[in-house]
Amino acid sequence: LAKTTQPISMDSYEGQEVNITCSHNNIATNDYITWYQQFPSQGPRFIIQGYKTKVTNEVASLFIPADRKSSTLSLPRVSLSDTAVYYCLVGDPSASGGSYIPTFGRGTSLIVHP
Amino acid sequence: GAGVSQSPSNKVTEKGKDVELRCDPISGHTALYWYRQSLGQGLEFLIYFQGNSAPDKSGLPSDRFSAERTGGSVSTLTIQRTQQEDSAVYLCASSSHSGSLIEQYFGPGTRLTVT
Repeated sequence: LAKTTQPISMDSYEGQEVNITCSHNNIATNDYITWYQQFPSQGPRFIIQGYKTKVTNEVASLFIPADRKSSTLSLPRVSLSDTAVYYCLVGDPSASGGSYIPTFGRGTSLIVHP
Repeated sequence: GAGVSQSPSNKVTEKGKDVELRCDPISGHTALYWYRQSLGQGLEFLIYFQGNSAPDKSGLPSDRFSAERTGGSVSTLTIQRTQQEDSAVYLCASSSHSGSLIEQYFGPGTRLTVT
């Protein structure tokens, strides 16, 4: 499985755009990139998934360069409620026999200040 | 619709006792995962069930840990002879494998404290 590296923590202020970058140098051809968000005392929640270029939904955008060795989760105009841990995962969801097991690292702890 | 539910939400037990943690996945989800999360740490994979296939137990930390999934739905994680290092939040997730999108839905977790 591709190993991921992301910053342990980040600080931001309300209204700013936050970009969290994840490195995955050994990403395989069939791997997708998925991000989850975890609030304190809750289980993680799926945010976004992508394969290449750019994906956008109502919550965030995901930018993936052509070499796919990294990806950036972009949160526009963060608020205090965006304070959470953000996990970057890499893997092949369509792996034969459904053998894909999402692997979570320590994630990035984002703190949004007033 | 109903999400993933787990019970109990909190469990305090004495060292050496056995505990059972329950997970009710989303109806129709074929995949079910158990994770463990210690304070300030990431999620540690424990075990994975997919349909009628044999479970992937590669993440279980010792033979004191076991899990079963009855009828392809409810799952129970059992920890025998609990130790203090077993104290953590135990999270269950389910998903419906559909092509390239694997979105896991997590339950609220069971906070286990071993005294």
